[in-house]
Amino acid sequence: EPEVTQTPSHQVTQMGQEVILRCVPISNHLYFYWYRQILGQKVEFLVSFYNNEISEKSEIFDDQFSVERPDGSNFTLKIRSTKLEDSAMYFCASTMGGGPNTEAFFGQGTRLTVV
Amino acid sequence: QKEVEQNSGPLSVPEGAIASLNCTYSDRGSQSFFWYRQYSGKSPELIMSIYSNGDKEDGRFTAQLNKASQYVSLLIRDSQPSDSATYLCAVNPTGSGNTGKLIFGQGTTLQVKP
Repeated sequence: EPEVTQTPSHQVTQMGQEVILRCVPISNHLYFYWYRQILGQKVEFLVSFYNNEISEKSEIFDDQFSVERPDGSNFTLKIRSTKLEDSAMYFCASTMGGGPNTEAFFGQGTRLTVV
Repeated sequence: QKEVEQNSGPLSVPEGAIASLNCTYSDRGSQSFFWYRQYSGKSPELIMSIYSNGDKEDGRFTAQLNKASQYVSLLIRDSQPSDSATYLCAVNPTGSGNTGKLIFGQGTTLQVKP
């Protein structure tokens, strides 16, 4: 069964360092997303991406964050200068379509720990 | 602010019983509703989607939607210990254009006791 894959599963980084989280969406899906979940809290939308452009982003997704599809398969989230409060699980998701009535499938997540 | 509300629980049911999980949402124009299961430390796993008022059944799971009351529920029949997890309600809000953005509730923790 097709699945979304994320690497690494766990990343530890020092405050102020840049991190890149990687995702390979399901191959015939066209819309890609990043969500995060701080320990014990809700899953929060960060950004959606379609046709090599950001289609929507949340207030959390500030100038420290960027996304890119560097090739035909990978979708990345970059955090330029990590803060302690960026420590969270980051989930990549993909959907076939972009409107309502479209089911999102999530990767297994990357646990980011900022020390 | 578009909100999705769930009782955090824990909801404890005996094995074999029906578990009933509830969710309300504030955005009246929302069209798509999803239930995800999340085991501790793992990612959300899609269980059910529902788009129209009424019931939708899939195996032991039934999703119910009442748009007038802005209420979504998930029933799990013949609950098993392996169903013990956090159940997340997610809504695709209006104003999201052509994105499939989801707003999640905080989740209800279900404990099924043998």
